[in-house]
This record gives sequence, C-alpha cells and structure tokens, in this order.
Amino acid sequence: KAGVTQTPRYLIKTRGQQVTLSCSPISGHRSVSWYQQTPGQGLQFLFEYFSETQRNKGNFPGRFSGRQFSNSRSEMNVSTLELGDSALYLCASSPASRYGYTFGSGTRLTVV
Amino acid sequence: GESVGLHLPTLSIQEGDNSIINCAYSNSASDYFIWYKQESGKGPQFIIDIRSNMDKRQGQRVTVLLNKTVKHLSLQIAATQPGDSAVYFCAEIRRSNDYKLSFGAGTTVTVRA
Repeated sequence: KAGVTQTPRYLIKTRGQQVTLSCSPISGHRSVSWYQQTPGQGLQFLFEYFSETQRNKGNFPGRFSGRQFSNSRSEMNVSTLELGDSALYLCASSPASRYGYTFGSGTRLTVV
Repeated sequence: GESVGLHLPTLSIQEGDNSIINCAYSNSASDYFIWYKQESGKGPQFIIDIRSNMDKRQGQRVTVLLNKTVKHLSLQIAATQPGDSAVYFCAEIRRSNDYKLSFGAGTTVTVRA
C-alpha cells in the first residue's frame, strides 16, 4: 500500500514569500502531524490534525498554519518566510490511535 | 527542555559487530518509546517500539531495552551491515504531552567495511 506522500520534494523561496506544502497520508489514516527538522534544533513538532480539526500544536509562531481536508490530506502554510525557516518539513500519518506514526520523505525548503 | 536525549552524537562500528545506541529520558510518565532510523534524503523510518510496562522487545536483528529505574533506553543491532548506516533517533510519547512525538537529537551510525 502507498506510503505517506509529500509534495513538492524540494522548494526554493525568497524571504518574505509564503509557501504551501502538501501531505497525502496512508489510506485509512486519519491523523496527520507535521514536523520541522533542522541541524540545530532537530525534529520539532509543528501541529497535528485529526478529522479536519487541529488536535495539537507545537511552539511555533502564527506564521505556521495548517489544515486538513475531508479525505485526510493535509497542507501546511508558512507565511512571510524567514531564512531560519529553511528546513526539512516532515509529515507523519497514523490511524485514529495516537501511535503508529509513518513518516513521508519530507519537503526540503530553502529560503534565500 | 528536551525530554529524550542521546548519549553519543556519532558511533562508528565495524561491519559484522553488534552495536548499541543509548538514549536517556527524563520523564517517568512516558508511555511509549520508539526508535527511528533516518537515511539521507528520507524521512524517519520505524524500527521498533516498546511500551513503558515492558523491559525488552525483540525484532529482526534489533532489540530494545528499557530500564525505568535509570530512565534509559537502548537499541541493540546485531551483526551490523552497511545498510545500517544512518541517523538513529529515540522518541517518546506521553499522554500528559498530548501524545506528541518528542525526539532526541539523533546518533549518526557509520558502519565500516
């Protein structure tokens, strides 16, 4: 069965722009979580969506937002990009339970 | 602060040897621990997990040990292969932390031929 699909794989944006990243979870998985991975901070939790509702949120500024659609696909948006937003953004999906996360390969965002 | 942390940032191991990757955690309320492997250009891949009411769990070539007394978690890989070269993360889930996955910093394992 297909894994977690993230698009695009790579993205280069200019400071001040906004960006939207997409995540398609494993079929039947209703929870989608997003993580930011940087060399300095490691893997940090952004937010989690379940049944189109944000169930959990990490400690990121309001420039980071997300949403989930009725088919469980999720998008995250970062507005007013800063150089420090350059990172690998990872999406993970899980069944209705809070365990069993499967990660996608991520979107590598570079802000110049 | 970080609730899980790894002891060594890097580990070099000879092919065929057994390797041990260590992780310490600070919160005794942790419910569940997971080891992930991340290869270059990929997302973290599940290796093995263990619930807090267990001491040991075995998989194919991997064993996870949990010592709740000293809040220590380890991943043992038997007969290390070149394909085991990757960054390894321990992660924990706690109900008191809304079941968020909290990751440690990662250990880079390099397998020498």
